[in-house]
Parts: sequence; C-alpha cells; structure tokens
Amino acid sequence: EPEVTQTPSHQVTQMGQEVILRCVPISNHLYFYWYRQILGQKVEFLVSFYNNEISEKSEIFDDQFSVERPDGSNFTLKIRSTKLEDSAMYFCASGGENTGELFFGEGSRLTVL
Amino acid sequence: RKEVEQDPGPFNVPEGATVAFNCTYSNSASQSFFWYRQDCRKEPKLLMSVYSSGNEDGRFTAQLNRASQYISLLIRDSKLSDSATYLCVVNLDTDKLIFGTGTRLQVFP
Repeated sequence: EPEVTQTPSHQVTQMGQEVILRCVPISNHLYFYWYRQILGQKVEFLVSFYNNEISEKSEIFDDQFSVERPDGSNFTLKIRSTKLEDSAMYFCASGGENTGELFFGEGSRLTVL
Repeated sequence: RKEVEQDPGPFNVPEGATVAFNCTYSNSASQSFFWYRQDCRKEPKLLMSVYSSGNEDGRFTAQLNRASQYISLLIRDSKLSDSATYLCVVNLDTDKLIFGTGTRLQVFP
C-alpha cells in the first residue's frame, strides 16, 4: 500500500539552528501539507502546497518557515532559526482529488534545546 | 469560540459497550466533515467521512446536523482495538483541514 514517508523520525537541535524535515508523498497525489502537533495538543495546520506553490498557510507559518518540492518527489519543510516552541511532531500529508482524505506520514519529532 | 470543539474525555468503557462522541464547529460555511483516528504517538488516519444524511461503516455511525453545527460518532460493540483518540475534522472548502483536540477512548476488558 502506498504511504507517505518522512525523515528523520526524530531530530534534536539547538535553538537558532536550521532544520530541514523531508517527506516523500504518495506519488500520484497532487496536494501536500505540513501539520504539527505539540505534545498533548491538537493537530495544527501549517501549510498546503499545490501546483508547485503554497496555496494556503496559517499564522504559525511565519518567515522562519519555508517549503519546497525540489525534485518532483520530495517535499521539504525548512525552519530557518528554530525556537524552543518549535518542538513538536511535524506531520507531512498528501491527498488526491478528495482533499478531505489525507494520508499522513509517521511524523518527524523535533526537539529544540 | 474554538473552530472545532470536542470533549477531550477520556471515555473509559468496557468491551461491547456503545459510546458516542460529539463535536461542534463554529464556521457555518464549513463544507465537509470527517472523523480521524489517532493512536498514541502515531499519525492521524481517516476513519470515515461524514455525510449530510448520516452514514454507517460497520460498527461506526456518523451524523451531521448542519443547523446545530454538530457532528457525532457512534461506536457500537466496542473492541479493545478501538482505544485511540478520535479527531473531529472540518474542511472550509479550502486547502486545509481543521482538527479538533480529539476525544480519547479507552476500552477495557
């Protein structure tokens, strides 16, 4: 069964460092997303990406965040200068035409010290 | 008011019980509705979509009341494997899904 894969599964970084989280969405999907979940809290939307551009972003997704789909398969989330409050599980998701049914990766846990 | 509101639980029920979860949403322009399931420290997975007329999938029944902006999920004959957090999810006909905080279910033997 096709699946969304994410790397790394866990990353520990120092405050102020840059982090890149990588995702390989399901190959025939058109819509790509990043969500995050702080421990014990709800899943929060960060950004959606369609047709090689950002289609929507939340207020969490400030100038420190960026996304790219550099080679038609990978979908990356970059955090330029991490803060303590960026510590969370980051989920990548992809979807086909039915944008309600999203397939999530297993997540990348980011710990900022 | 929160965009999507759920009772966080936990709901502790014995195997075989029927349990119901409720959810309210604040934006009347919301277009589509879903229940996702999230196991502890895992990713969310779609459980079922929620249609205006109500829909059933095996032991699971979902209902939508647009007038009251209310969604429900009923689980019959609970199994141990149903233990998880159930996430109410709403789509405003945009590119983003809005998740509730989830309701935790624990089914005990």
